[in-house]
Amino acid sequence: RKEVEQDPGPFNVPEGATVAFNCTYSNSASQSFFWYRQDCRKEPKLLMSVYSSGNEDGRFTAQLNRASQYISLLIRDSKLSDSATYLCVVTNTGNQFYFGTGTSLTVIP
Amino acid sequence: DAGVTQSPTHLIKTRGQQVTLRCSPKSGHDTVSWYQQALGQGPQFIFQYYEEEERQRGNFPDRFSGHQFPNYSSELNVNALLLGDSALYLCASGLAGAPPDTQYFGPGTRLTVL
Repeated sequence: RKEVEQDPGPFNVPEGATVAFNCTYSNSASQSFFWYRQDCRKEPKLLMSVYSSGNEDGRFTAQLNRASQYISLLIRDSKLSDSATYLCVVTNTGNQFYFGTGTSLTVIP
Repeated sequence: DAGVTQSPTHLIKTRGQQVTLRCSPKSGHDTVSWYQQALGQGPQFIFQYYEEEERQRGNFPDRFSGHQFPNYSSELNVNALLLGDSALYLCASGLAGAPPDTQYFGPGTRLTVL
């Protein structure tokens, strides 16, 4: 079983739409949780950290449910510039990153 | 302040050859991790170097080896290349003991094996 499972999409949404991505992880001892954004043929960049209390940054909201081993990302009022691949990441005690396969988002004018 | 740099940007090799990829960490960082990202997949952890030693290793064969130099830069070596080794190889640098979200990724080296 993979450490991190994500729906690969693709998600094609109109500008202004709200879109949600989900991710599950298999290791209950996972330490830290993140969403990374990766543009085509570029390196992943940290979008936001994810906490049990929830984390909001502008139009982006991330949530962690440790009991269900589930992570989510909500993007409100989608912009064309949000088009990218969104990677769910968990770490173990050694700060080793485990990435999901990524979810592709295209925001359509 | 330069971020994480990697060289070369692109590389084409044939099956059976050997390749060396290079990474210079962000200034002030002392750990280097290497990841392999195949097309359509998320990055997969290869190994991490700290104090010139391999500290953690993912599920990769011994054909993948590395080195860290006293200036914290690092090399990834892959021997006996296979077609399946074609991927984007990413290097991430960080500071030992710091939170994981302080790691930064380099732009990657795109390796094509023919």
